Amino acid sequence: DAGVIQSPRHEVTEMGQEVTLRCKPISGHDYLFWYRQTMMRGLELLIYFNNNVPIDDSGMPEDRFSAKMPNASFSTLKIQPSEPRDSAVYFCASSADPSLGQTPYEQYFGPGTRLTVT
Amino acid sequence: GENVEQHPSTLSVQEGDSAVIKCTYSDSASNYFPWYKQELGKRPQLIIDIRSNVGEKKDQRIAVTLNKTAKHFSLHITETQPEDSAVYFCAASPSGGSNYKLTFGKGTLLTVNP
Repeated sequence: DAGVIQSPRHEVTEMGQEVTLRCKPISGHDYLFWYRQTMMRGLELLIYFNNNVPIDDSGMPEDRFSAKMPNASFSTLKIQPSEPRDSAVYFCASSADPSLGQTPYEQYFGPGTRLTVT
Repeated sequence: GENVEQHPSTLSVQEGDSAVIKCTYSDSASNYFPWYKQELGKRPQLIIDIRSNVGEKKDQRIAVTLNKTAKHFSLHITETQPEDSAVYFCAASPSGGSNYKLTFGKGTLLTVNP
C-alpha cells in the first residue's frame, strides 16, 4: 500500500485566495483525520470522519475552513479566504476501525502539505 | 475535553544515556496512550502505545509506563543513539462508540549528542 497520500506537498498562495488540500487515505481505513501543525500550537486535530461522515469538527478554527469526504478514498480541506495565520503544515491521517477487530487505533499520517500564505 | 500536558519541551542527552519524557492527561475516560516520533520535515509515526489494562510495555530500547490513578504516562528510551533525535509526541484517546479522537501533547525535542 502506498500509505496516506496528500497533495500538494507545498502550497504558496496570497492572502484572500482559496486553498484546497487533498487526501487519499489507506484503502480499507474507515477513519480520516485532518491535523494542523505549527510551532506555537503543536499538532491540532481539526476534524475527523468515520465512514465519510464528519464526527467531530470542534477543532475547525472558523467558518473559513471546511472539509468534505465525498467517498471512502478522498477528502478535501478547503480554506476560503486564506490568511497569513493559516500558514502551517496540514496532515491527513487514517486509521482502521477498532470495533471491527482490525489493527486498532494507530493513525497513519500522510507526508503533509506545507502551506504558506503571504 | 481531554487535555494532555507534556514535559520537558526540550531534552538533550549524551549518546548512551537514557531519556525520559512525561505526560499527564485530564480525562479519566482515556484508555489508549500512543507515542509518536517525528523527525525533522517528516510525518509523525507511531513508535509504541499502551492501553489502560497494562501498566508497562517494552519494545527493545523503548518502554512506556502508565499510572491511571495519577493520570500520567511516560516514555523511556535507553541507550540513546543519534538517530533517536526527533520530536516525540504523547497522546491520549478515550474510546467507545465512534470516538477515537487523539489529543496530542505539545511535543518534546530530543537531541542525542554523539
